[in-house]
Amino acid sequence: GQNIDQPTEMTATEGAIVQINCTYQTSGFNGLFWYQQHAGEAPTFLSYNVLDGLEEKGRFSSFLSRSKGYSYLLLKELQMKDSASYLCAVLLGYKLSFGAGTTVTVRA
Amino acid sequence: NAGVMQNPRHLVRRRGQEARLRCSPVKGHSHVYWYRQLPEEGLKFMVYLQKENIIDESGMPKERFSAEFPKEGPSILRIQQVVRGDSAAYFCASSRPGQSNTGELFFGEGSRLTVL
Repeated sequence: GQNIDQPTEMTATEGAIVQINCTYQTSGFNGLFWYQQHAGEAPTFLSYNVLDGLEEKGRFSSFLSRSKGYSYLLLKELQMKDSASYLCAVLLGYKLSFGAGTTVTVRA
Repeated sequence: NAGVMQNPRHLVRRRGQEARLRCSPVKGHSHVYWYRQLPEEGLKFMVYLQKENIIDESGMPKERFSAEFPKEGPSILRIQQVVRGDSAAYFCASSRPGQSNTGELFFGEGSRLTVL
Protein backbone atom coordinates (compact mmCIF):
# COMPACT_ATOMS: atom_id res chain seq x y z
CA GLY A 1 0.00 0.00 0.00
CA GLN A 2 0.89 3.65 -0.08
CA ASN A 3 1.69 5.62 3.06
CA ILE A 4 1.53 9.38 2.92
CA ASP A 5 1.64 11.12 6.29
CA GLN A 6 1.11 14.74 7.21
CA PRO A 7 0.00 16.44 10.42
CA THR A 8 -3.72 16.77 10.94
CA GLU A 9 -3.84 20.39 12.07
CA MET A 10 -1.65 23.45 12.44
CA THR A 11 -2.38 26.93 13.76
CA ALA A 12 -0.40 30.07 13.07
CA THR A 13 -0.69 33.82 13.35
CA GLU A 14 -1.31 36.21 10.49
CA GLY A 15 2.02 37.34 8.99
CA ALA A 16 3.92 34.34 10.34
CA ILE A 17 5.45 31.35 8.55
CA VAL A 18 4.17 27.79 8.68
CA GLN A 19 5.86 24.62 7.42
CA ILE A 20 3.75 21.56 6.63
CA ASN A 21 5.72 18.32 6.47
CA CYS A 22 4.85 15.28 4.42
CA THR A 23 6.54 11.90 4.48
CA TYR A 24 5.78 9.14 2.05
CA GLN A 25 6.47 5.48 1.49
CA THR A 26 5.14 4.47 -1.90
CA SER A 27 5.74 1.74 -4.44
CA GLY A 28 6.82 4.26 -7.05
CA PHE A 29 7.36 7.96 -7.53
CA ASN A 30 6.76 10.29 -10.46
CA GLY A 31 6.51 13.53 -8.52
CA LEU A 32 5.07 15.18 -5.44
CA PHE A 33 2.24 17.69 -5.46
CA TRP A 34 0.68 20.09 -3.02
CA TYR A 35 -2.94 21.12 -3.37
CA GLN A 36 -4.95 23.67 -1.38
CA GLN A 37 -8.57 22.96 -0.53
CA HIS A 38 -10.90 25.44 1.14
CA ALA A 39 -13.86 23.91 2.96
CA GLY A 40 -16.54 22.83 0.51
CA GLU A 41 -14.46 23.73 -2.52
CA ALA A 42 -12.33 22.02 -5.17
CA PRO A 43 -8.68 21.25 -4.48
CA THR A 44 -6.46 23.65 -6.42
CA PHE A 45 -2.91 22.98 -7.58
CA LEU A 46 -0.15 24.75 -5.65
CA SER A 47 3.16 23.13 -6.52
CA TYR A 48 4.95 20.20 -8.12
CA ASN A 49 8.39 18.76 -7.29
CA VAL A 50 10.00 15.95 -9.23
CA LEU A 51 13.66 16.68 -8.47
CA ASP A 52 15.27 17.27 -5.07
CA GLY A 53 15.38 20.82 -3.87
CA LEU A 54 13.26 23.87 -3.31
CA GLU A 55 10.66 25.30 -5.68
CA GLU A 56 9.57 28.83 -4.86
CA LYS A 57 6.40 30.44 -6.08
CA GLY A 58 5.56 33.72 -4.42
CA ARG A 59 4.65 33.23 -0.76
CA PHE A 60 4.61 29.44 -1.16
CA SER A 61 7.64 27.17 -1.47
CA SER A 62 7.87 23.40 -1.65
CA PHE A 63 10.86 21.20 -0.92
CA LEU A 64 11.56 17.60 -1.85
CA SER A 65 14.09 14.99 -0.73
CA ARG A 66 13.49 11.75 -2.64
CA SER A 67 16.10 9.78 -0.69
CA LYS A 68 14.32 10.63 2.57
CA GLY A 69 10.79 10.34 1.22
CA TYR A 70 10.11 13.81 2.55
CA SER A 71 8.58 17.05 1.39
CA TYR A 72 7.44 20.25 3.01
CA LEU A 73 5.25 23.16 1.99
CA LEU A 74 6.30 26.53 3.37
CA LEU A 75 3.74 29.31 3.61
CA LYS A 76 5.17 32.76 4.32
CA GLU A 77 3.50 36.03 5.33
CA LEU A 78 0.36 34.16 6.25
CA GLN A 79 -2.96 35.75 5.40
CA MET A 80 -6.40 34.92 6.75
CA LYS A 81 -7.38 33.54 3.34
CA ASP A 82 -4.65 30.89 3.69
CA SER A 83 -6.83 29.08 6.22
CA ALA A 84 -7.52 25.85 4.35
CA SER A 85 -6.59 22.20 4.07
CA TYR A 86 -3.27 21.44 2.36
CA LEU A 87 -3.01 18.11 0.60
CA CYS A 88 0.25 16.30 -0.11
CA ALA A 89 -0.01 13.90 -3.06
CA VAL A 90 2.43 11.49 -4.71
CA LEU A 91 2.12 10.76 -8.41
CA LEU A 92 2.39 7.06 -9.22
CA GLY A 93 2.19 6.67 -12.97
CA TYR A 94 -0.94 8.64 -13.81
CA LYS A 95 -2.51 8.24 -10.38
CA LEU A 96 -2.30 10.80 -7.59
CA SER A 97 -2.26 9.26 -4.12
CA PHE A 98 -3.22 11.78 -1.43
CA GLY A 99 -2.43 12.21 2.22
CA ALA A 100 -5.30 13.02 4.58
CA GLY A 101 -4.52 16.73 4.49
CA THR A 102 -3.36 19.31 7.03
CA THR A 103 -5.89 21.87 8.18
CA VAL A 104 -4.16 25.22 8.69
CA THR A 105 -5.94 27.86 10.76
CA VAL A 106 -4.61 31.41 10.55
CA ARG A 107 -5.43 33.61 13.55
CA ALA A 108 -5.36 37.39 13.66
CA ASN B 1 -13.82 29.52 -19.66
CA ALA B 2 -15.53 26.84 -17.61
CA GLY B 3 -13.58 24.53 -15.36
CA VAL B 4 -14.66 21.05 -14.35
CA MET B 5 -18.40 21.10 -13.74
CA GLN B 6 -20.03 18.61 -11.44
CA ASN B 7 -23.68 18.12 -10.69
CA PRO B 8 -25.52 17.82 -8.54
CA ARG B 9 -23.50 19.60 -5.88
CA HIS B 10 -25.58 17.97 -3.17
CA LEU B 11 -27.60 14.78 -3.41
CA VAL B 12 -29.67 13.06 -0.74
CA ARG B 13 -30.73 9.47 -1.22
CA ARG B 14 -32.38 6.83 0.93
CA ARG B 15 -30.76 3.45 1.39
CA GLY B 16 -31.35 1.25 -1.63
CA GLN B 17 -31.81 4.09 -4.12
CA GLU B 18 -29.50 4.94 -6.98
CA ALA B 19 -27.16 7.92 -7.17
CA ARG B 20 -25.89 9.38 -10.44
CA LEU B 21 -23.14 11.95 -10.36
CA ARG B 22 -22.15 13.85 -13.48
CA CYS B 23 -18.90 15.47 -14.49
CA SER B 24 -18.14 17.65 -17.49
CA PRO B 25 -14.36 18.07 -17.85
CA VAL B 26 -12.55 21.20 -18.88
CA LYS B 27 -13.10 21.82 -22.60
CA GLY B 28 -10.44 19.94 -24.54
CA HIS B 29 -9.68 17.52 -21.70
CA SER B 30 -10.29 13.89 -22.56
CA HIS B 31 -9.06 12.27 -19.34
CA VAL B 32 -11.33 12.06 -16.32
CA TYR B 33 -10.63 10.82 -12.80
CA TRP B 34 -13.05 10.21 -9.95
CA TYR B 35 -11.97 10.49 -6.33
CA ARG B 36 -13.90 9.95 -3.11
CA GLN B 37 -13.31 11.96 0.05
CA LEU B 38 -14.65 10.77 3.37
CA PRO B 39 -14.73 13.12 6.38
CA GLU B 40 -11.26 13.48 7.96
CA GLU B 41 -9.72 11.37 5.20
CA GLY B 42 -7.76 12.11 2.07
CA LEU B 43 -8.96 11.86 -1.50
CA LYS B 44 -9.05 8.23 -2.60
CA PHE B 45 -8.64 7.31 -6.27
CA MET B 46 -11.58 5.45 -7.71
CA VAL B 47 -11.36 5.33 -11.51
CA TYR B 48 -9.55 6.81 -14.50
CA LEU B 49 -11.34 7.09 -17.82
CA GLN B 50 -10.67 8.33 -21.30
CA LYS B 51 -13.41 8.82 -23.85
CA GLU B 52 -15.30 5.50 -24.18
CA ASN B 53 -12.59 3.64 -22.22
CA ILE B 54 -12.05 2.69 -18.61
CA ILE B 55 -8.29 2.78 -18.14
CA ASP B 56 -8.03 1.95 -14.44
CA GLU B 57 -10.87 1.12 -12.06
CA SER B 58 -8.73 -0.38 -9.32
CA GLY B 59 -10.18 1.99 -6.71
CA MET B 60 -13.80 1.20 -7.45
CA PRO B 61 -15.73 -1.10 -5.10
CA LYS B 62 -16.42 -4.35 -6.93
CA GLU B 63 -20.17 -4.08 -6.61
CA ARG B 64 -22.76 -1.35 -7.03
CA PHE B 65 -20.32 1.23 -8.47
CA SER B 66 -19.80 1.92 -12.16
CA ALA B 67 -18.41 4.74 -14.25
CA GLU B 68 -18.54 5.75 -17.87
CA PHE B 69 -17.26 8.52 -20.09
CA PRO B 70 -19.18 8.35 -23.36
CA LYS B 71 -18.10 9.86 -26.66
CA GLU B 72 -20.69 12.60 -26.17
CA GLY B 73 -21.77 14.00 -22.85
CA PRO B 74 -20.45 14.03 -19.32
CA SER B 75 -18.76 11.31 -17.35
CA ILE B 76 -21.13 9.58 -14.97
CA LEU B 77 -20.42 7.84 -11.69
CA ARG B 78 -23.30 5.56 -10.79
CA ILE B 79 -23.90 4.04 -7.38
CA GLN B 80 -26.67 1.49 -7.16
CA GLN B 81 -28.47 0.46 -3.97
CA VAL B 82 -26.71 3.09 -1.90
CA VAL B 83 -25.79 2.41 1.73
CA ARG B 84 -24.92 4.86 4.50
CA GLY B 85 -21.22 4.19 4.02
CA ASP B 86 -21.44 5.69 0.54
CA SER B 87 -22.01 9.13 2.07
CA ALA B 88 -19.02 11.17 0.97
CA ALA B 89 -17.85 13.91 -1.34
CA TYR B 90 -17.12 12.65 -4.84
CA PHE B 91 -14.66 14.75 -6.83
CA CYS B 92 -14.07 14.62 -10.53
CA ALA B 93 -10.83 15.85 -12.08
CA SER B 94 -9.70 16.19 -15.66
CA SER B 95 -6.45 16.56 -17.54
CA ARG B 96 -5.33 17.17 -21.09
CA PRO B 97 -4.03 14.40 -23.32
CA GLY B 98 -0.36 13.98 -22.48
CA GLN B 99 -0.81 15.59 -19.09
CA SER B 100 -2.05 12.53 -17.26
CA ASN B 101 1.46 11.61 -16.16
CA THR B 102 2.34 15.07 -14.90
CA GLY B 103 -0.29 15.01 -12.20
CA GLU B 104 -1.67 18.47 -12.75
CA LEU B 105 -5.34 17.78 -12.41
CA PHE B 106 -8.17 20.26 -12.51
CA PHE B 107 -10.77 19.40 -9.92
CA GLY B 108 -14.47 20.09 -9.84
CA GLU B 109 -16.14 21.34 -6.68
CA GLY B 110 -17.46 17.90 -5.84
CA SER B 111 -20.80 16.22 -5.37
CA ARG B 112 -21.76 15.61 -1.77
CA LEU B 113 -23.84 12.48 -1.36
CA THR B 114 -25.79 11.92 1.83
CA VAL B 115 -27.49 8.58 2.33
CA LEU B 116 -30.27 8.56 4.90
